[in-house]
Amino acid sequence: EAQVTQNPRYLITVTGKKLTVTCSQNMNHEYMSWYRQDPGLGLRQIYYSMNVEVTDKGDVPEGYKVSRKEKRNFPLILESPSPNQTSLYFCASSGGGGGRINEQFFGPGTRLTVL
Amino acid sequence: GDSVTQMEGPVTLSEEAFLTINCTYTATGYPSLFWYVQYPGEGLQLLLKATKADDKGSNKGFEATYRKETTSFHLEKGSVQVSDSAVYFCALPSGGYNKLIFGAGTRLAVHP
Repeated sequence: EAQVTQNPRYLITVTGKKLTVTCSQNMNHEYMSWYRQDPGLGLRQIYYSMNVEVTDKGDVPEGYKVSRKEKRNFPLILESPSPNQTSLYFCASSGGGGGRINEQFFGPGTRLTVL
Repeated sequence: GDSVTQMEGPVTLSEEAFLTINCTYTATGYPSLFWYVQYPGEGLQLLLKATKADDKGSNKGFEATYRKETTSFHLEKGSVQVSDSAVYFCALPSGGYNKLIFGAGTRLAVHP
């Protein structure tokens, strides 16, 4: 089954404690993104990757890091989480060609609470 | 820059009522337009899309027509069901393959 998986689904942590949210896709997609979803703001892109070892900032990158060492994986790293990073996070992937350019496939979400 | 504006929710309807969720956009050129749906506890799923002006996207009884003269892509359904209760997002691509610009989302609650 084609899918994007994220782990963990729920996480409660404390300010300053480094954490990583994993994301993996099995569709051989080149493009992967991280979004955060906040009430009244919709989804905003944090970082994206166009392929292995190619990443760039989205609209709200402050306080986050990413890496793309393998095509299927795109972890999101919070080196020193703060309460304003409490949010719902989505990983997404997309490929190209076949009329499906720009259609993004989303993971189930990770709800993060930073105390 | 590119942007999407959706009507604010929540929208509360009785089963079998008619649904309209308004979406307008600002963009350079004529991008593809999308509606995504987020069911409770799940990620976003593509509901329908339109790739050029006057196109009508449709899926699961929902429809939306790409109107370039009014820069709109309103979502409609003739008879909603309880199972349609979800959050609906209008979106357009920006910057190539790597980003979607989303509206704020509209929560729909359908009661029996």
